[in-house]
Amino acid sequence: KAGVTQTPRYLIKTRGQQVTLSCSPISGHRSVSWYQQTPGQGLQFLFEYFSETQRNKGNFPGRFSGRQFSNSRSEMNVSTLELGDSALYLCASSWGQGKADTQYFGPGTRLTVL
Amino acid sequence: ELKVEQNPLFLSMQEGKNYTIYCNYSTTSDRLYWYRQDPGKSLESLFVLLSNGAVKQEGRLMASLDTKARLSTLHITAAVHDLSATYFCAVNNDMRFGAGTRLTVKP
Repeated sequence: KAGVTQTPRYLIKTRGQQVTLSCSPISGHRSVSWYQQTPGQGLQFLFEYFSETQRNKGNFPGRFSGRQFSNSRSEMNVSTLELGDSALYLCASSWGQGKADTQYFGPGTRLTVL
Repeated sequence: ELKVEQNPLFLSMQEGKNYTIYCNYSTTSDRLYWYRQDPGKSLESLFVLLSNGAVKQEGRLMASLDTKARLSTLHITAAVHDLSATYFCAVNNDMRFGAGTRLTVKP
């Protein structure tokens, strides 16, 4: 069974640009969550999507948005990039129908903002 | 606001020794997660704990949850080098993470 895939793996952008990251979950999983990891702030939850609906949201500005498609693939978008957006962005998928769900993480997208 | 504190932040152990990582959280939670991250890699789910007194074990790792004390522990038994990694706890469905415990197991 294929794991969670994220594209691209590495990305370099400049301030003010926007970026879209993609996440393909494990087949059959309906929940996709996104996380940001930086040396300064650590791991932070961005949002969770389940069946194309945002089910949960972390404390990030509106520049960070996401969506989920009918095939459960998810994208997240960051507009007007800032230097502080440089981070490893992780997505995770799960069945999404129980508290005890195990999350399976993708390899991450490393975003560098210059 | 929910705060999650892990300690220690750094832990250097000898192989074969036992140790415990602590995860304290400040408000009522209905679930607690433990994750492992190897250097330069993504996260790996270890345990999900849902109820007071819950205990889960996988190999040399055992996690427990005390909801009354708002405390979870990750106990390492007879550490081996392969356990060297950073371990994170996270609380609730909006996933507040601790800062992580960087574990190094030395021969």
